[in-house]
Amino acid sequence: QKEVEQDPGPLSVPEGAIVSLNCTYSNSAFQYFMWYRQYSRKGPELLMYTYSSGNKEDGRFTAQVDKSSKYISLFIRDSQPSDSATYLCAMSSGMDSSYKLIFGSGTRLLVRP
Amino acid sequence: SQTIHQWPATLVQPVGSPLSLECTVEGTSNPNLYWYRQAAGRGLQLLFYSVGIGQISSEVPQNLSASRPQDRQFILSSKKLLLSDSGFYLCAWSPHTGKNNEKLFFGSGTQLSVL
Repeated sequence: QKEVEQDPGPLSVPEGAIVSLNCTYSNSAFQYFMWYRQYSRKGPELLMYTYSSGNKEDGRFTAQVDKSSKYISLFIRDSQPSDSATYLCAMSSGMDSSYKLIFGSGTRLLVRP
Repeated sequence: SQTIHQWPATLVQPVGSPLSLECTVEGTSNPNLYWYRQAAGRGLQLLFYSVGIGQISSEVPQNLSASRPQDRQFILSSKKLLLSDSGFYLCAWSPHTGKNNEKLFFGSGTQLSVL
């Protein structure tokens, strides 16, 4: 079993839809959670950063962490064609020896005009 | 502000040829530096990371090596490329210490094709 599981998609939605992207994980020590957006043949861009459980909102984006279920989500409201990209979840325990983020394999999102 | 530069953007190399990819970071000191590889449709595989000059940790035994000759310079090398070395290579940095040192910031990537 992978440490982080993410549905690869593709997920196709019409413009204006609410998008829900999700990841599950198995390591209960994870406490830092991130979402990256990656356009084709570009480097991933940090989109959202959350520590521990709870919600965080930034414009049209909301990140949710449910540590009891080991489940994180990214919601995109009023989705736009420019949101079409691959979304990667990433997480870390933040322990001293762990400088490494564990990434999901990414979900490809297509927003149709 | 901090910026990360990675080059070249695209590289086509014959099997058996050497490789050198370079990455530099500006606007910060003593960053943690990383090399990742991303196969098509796959997640990010951590290859190497460095917490200081001359300090390299390898995550996956392979045909590649990394070096950090200067504080903000990270180099990925190979003496003889294999077909399986093809992929999208990403350099990244994170603050060495402090509140946000879990956050990774990526370069624009190098698409390597070994033929």
